[in-house]
Amino acid sequence: QVQLQQSGAELVKPGASVKMSCKAFGYTFTTYPIEWMKQNHGKSLEWIGNFHPYNDDTKYNEKFKGKAKLTVEKSSSTVYLELSRLTSDDSAVYYCARRGTTVVAPYFDYWGQGTTLTVSS
Amino acid sequence: DILLTQSPAILSVSPGERVSFSCRASQSIGTSIHWYQQRTNGSPRLLIKYASESISGIPSRFSGSGSGTDFTLSINSVESEDIADYYCQQSNSWPITFGSGTKLEIK
Repeated sequence: QVQLQQSGAELVKPGASVKMSCKAFGYTFTTYPIEWMKQNHGKSLEWIGNFHPYNDDTKYNEKFKGKAKLTVEKSSSTVYLELSRLTSDDSAVYYCARRGTTVVAPYFDYWGQGTTLTVSS
Repeated sequence: DILLTQSPAILSVSPGERVSFSCRASQSIGTSIHWYQQRTNGSPRLLIKYASESISGIPSRFSGSGSGTDFTLSINSVESEDIADYYCQQSNSWPITFGSGTKLEIK
């Protein structure tokens, strides 16, 4: 069955970078884009961007350009989210999700369990 | 960016009652709205896609309606397991945005 497995919680110092992963199981990896969302504690969700493993196409929310970078390792069906120049505002839970359609106007049908990032000295 | 306004912030209902969640978009988005449930310490779960289309494995008591700017998620006969936050999400235009959520409490 379809599963997205995310890497474990991270504790990182301000100013540093972090790279978290999302490994896909149970479907043809190159068929659907992987999307990333940020959820501050007790708050709603923000869309960060997406990566399409078929053609390496990426799209970012303007708000996260310069902060987030998406990459892929196709051999292991894994998409990575790297966040740079971390501040306390980056402390949140980060989710990856599979886009549930190959056309535009996407919804997200499978979600990872989330990676908790804490930025603290 | 398209703003999605969900109201109210908290809904409190008794088991067996019908409940409706509202989501209003800042501009017309057709039926490009999707609904998610998020239980405490859990990941979001897709409930409804494209305003009213059902999702395999989701109980039939969940339904959606609306088009344009006003959308509604309904639960027909609430159960205790429905305690969660509910979010709407639009995919009419980039960036994708989510509503602020409505928390469902059971009396």
